[in-house]
Amino acid sequence: GNSVTQMEGPVTLSEEAFLTINCTYTATGYPSLFWYVQYPGEGLQLLLKATKADDKGSNKGFEATYRKETTSFHLEKGSVQVSDSAVYFCALRRPPGNTGKLIFGQGTTLQVKP
Amino acid sequence: DAGITQSPRYKITETGRQVTLMCHQTWSHSYMFWYRQDLGHGLRLIYYSAAADITDKGEVPDGYVVSRSKTENFPLTLESATRSQTSVYFCASSESQEQYFGPGTRLTVT
Repeated sequence: GNSVTQMEGPVTLSEEAFLTINCTYTATGYPSLFWYVQYPGEGLQLLLKATKADDKGSNKGFEATYRKETTSFHLEKGSVQVSDSAVYFCALRRPPGNTGKLIFGQGTTLQVKP
Repeated sequence: DAGITQSPRYKITETGRQVTLMCHQTWSHSYMFWYRQDLGHGLRLIYYSAAADITDKGEVPDGYVVSRSKTENFPLTLESATRSQTSVYFCASSESQEQYFGPGTRLTVT
């Protein structure tokens, strides 16, 4: 079946450290891949996305590259800030013809300390 | 205000009671979704709807009922609440790739 696996958290970093949150997926066909972010007390917001192999999504200094050969979509940021503290969700959307449902990973909590 | 709203934001109810969570979106998006968020499980899809009067089960539909008589509204009803339904519930809407989420409803069943 289709699934998303994220590294377990929490991830605790100092400000300006390099961030990697691992995400791997299992899916039939060619899914679209997403990273969503959830700030404390809020709903999820789309952070970035990639719709085909080798695409790189980027936003707010975050990047992720769609790697079909390793079925991965790892999230990276070169220098994190305290304001990046949040829960990050990796998700996939199955190919067109489906209903547009997203399958989420379990989420990774990031804590950035000053 | 434009966007997607949920009400109530917080709710405490007793086991066995019926409770309805409301979701309203102003974009006229075709798709709407209900998720629950629990520690260790991420977000799990309860029900979704592709259009008015079209709904379908998600991953964890048992104990929940939905309706979609109007495009902009997608209420979720717990017919007889149980403690295992204590959770944070998120509604989302979509027209294409991206889903837009509401702020969530924190439901506690005592």
